[in-house]
Amino acid sequence: GQQLNQSPQSMFIQEGEDVSMNCTSSSIFNTWLWYKQEPGEGPVLLIALYKAGELTSNGRLTAQFGITRKDSFLNISASIPSDVGIYFCAGGSSNTGKLIFGQGTTLQVKP
Amino acid sequence: DAMVIQNPRYQVTQFGKPVTLSCSQTLNHNVMYWYQQKSSQAPKLLFHYYDKDFNNEADTPDNFQSRRPNTSFCFLDIRSPGLGDAAMYLCATSRVGGTETQYFGPGTRLLVL
Repeated sequence: GQQLNQSPQSMFIQEGEDVSMNCTSSSIFNTWLWYKQEPGEGPVLLIALYKAGELTSNGRLTAQFGITRKDSFLNISASIPSDVGIYFCAGGSSNTGKLIFGQGTTLQVKP
Repeated sequence: DAMVIQNPRYQVTQFGKPVTLSCSQTLNHNVMYWYQQKSSQAPKLLFHYYDKDFNNEADTPDNFQSRRPNTSFCFLDIRSPGLGDAAMYLCATSRVGGTETQYFGPGTRLLVL
């Protein structure tokens, strides 16, 4: 079945540093979504991407839909302590009609 | 604000005692999903409703059932909870199905004693 490989699995960084995480697959996706989940809460949508090559920003966050439609990255600039959480990518496939989730990237920020 | 609401946020039940989790939405979305999420793993889709059409995932145990009495509400019934069913249960909605963006509720944490 379709799978997403999300990396890195975890990151421990200093406040103010930039962060980059990505998801790759051998399958083509029509949609790429990035969510953030904090402990005890549901995933919150950060950025939605619908076109190959699309580059979208949301404040300090920037995400891109890979030109091959098989990958996406999320960058966070100038990290702050409240960026702590688990970041999930999700690919939407018209073949399955479902979202496929990456394994998540756990981000910890040291003040 | 339009949103997805889940009640209760925390639910404790006994082994084998039926439990129902609820989800409501003010987004007027056609599709409602139920996911199970364990210990920082990715959410796992259990089933979804497209309007009144129920779509079960092949590997969802029979112990899990769902009801959608109207557009706004959807329920997850666990008929005989086992210890392995302790998890976070997430409800999500999307305007239409397929690759549309899904919006999640805050989740219900289920504890089975």
